Amino acid sequence: AQKITQTQPGMFVQEKEAVTLDCTYDTSDPSYGLFWYKQPSSGEMIFLIYQGSYDQQNATEGRYSLNFQKARKSANLVISASQLGDSAMYFCAMREVYNNNDMRFGAGTRLTVKP
Amino acid sequence: DAGVTQSPTHLIKTRGQQVTLRCSPKSGHDTVSWYQQALGQGPQFIFQYYEEEERQRGNFPDRFSGHQFPNYSSELNVNALLLGDSALYLCASSLDGAGRTRRGTQYFGPGTRLLVL
Repeated sequence: AQKITQTQPGMFVQEKEAVTLDCTYDTSDPSYGLFWYKQPSSGEMIFLIYQGSYDQQNATEGRYSLNFQKARKSANLVISASQLGDSAMYFCAMREVYNNNDMRFGAGTRLTVKP
Repeated sequence: DAGVTQSPTHLIKTRGQQVTLRCSPKSGHDTVSWYQQALGQGPQFIFQYYEEEERQRGNFPDRFSGHQFPNYSSELNVNALLLGDSALYLCASSLDGAGRTRRGTQYFGPGTRLLVL
């Protein structure tokens, strides 16, 4: 069963504005990690940010922050001050501690930054 | 600090042939995972190797097999290629024992684009 849901196939944002990419997940494992990756047209998956299920604070990495709402099982990525180079596919992923070793990915969101 | 490397970058094969893809993990990493990414989809987990053994496997047939060498590098082999095997194949490395913590973050290579005709 699909465990990661990204409901926005495509998003547009004006350069220098902030944008939120949505991600919801489903798990019965009390311990898990949530990840966001960026995939430019070249194909390489670039790690952006990590959030652990027991982390008390929302993760931040430069212009990236993760809006983690555990009760709602959502882990939305916020990109501040968008740049043209942010145009890419963005994938949300999850790994469960007790269940298995694989990383489950969502279907992705294509972000386009307009000048 | 060398990142994850994969070879070849592109490959064209015909149905029924066999293919071998190669991956060298990021320095200091001991675990290698392989993913298949079809056009327009998210990556799908194939299998993971640790200590030269397959530790976990996704929903892929036995035509997909792999190997990990003592230097932690890995190969993905696909036999009897089908048209549907055309995809981007991604290798990711991580540090075992860190589980699903930040230390266990998977770092990806540039991928191998396989086209089966």
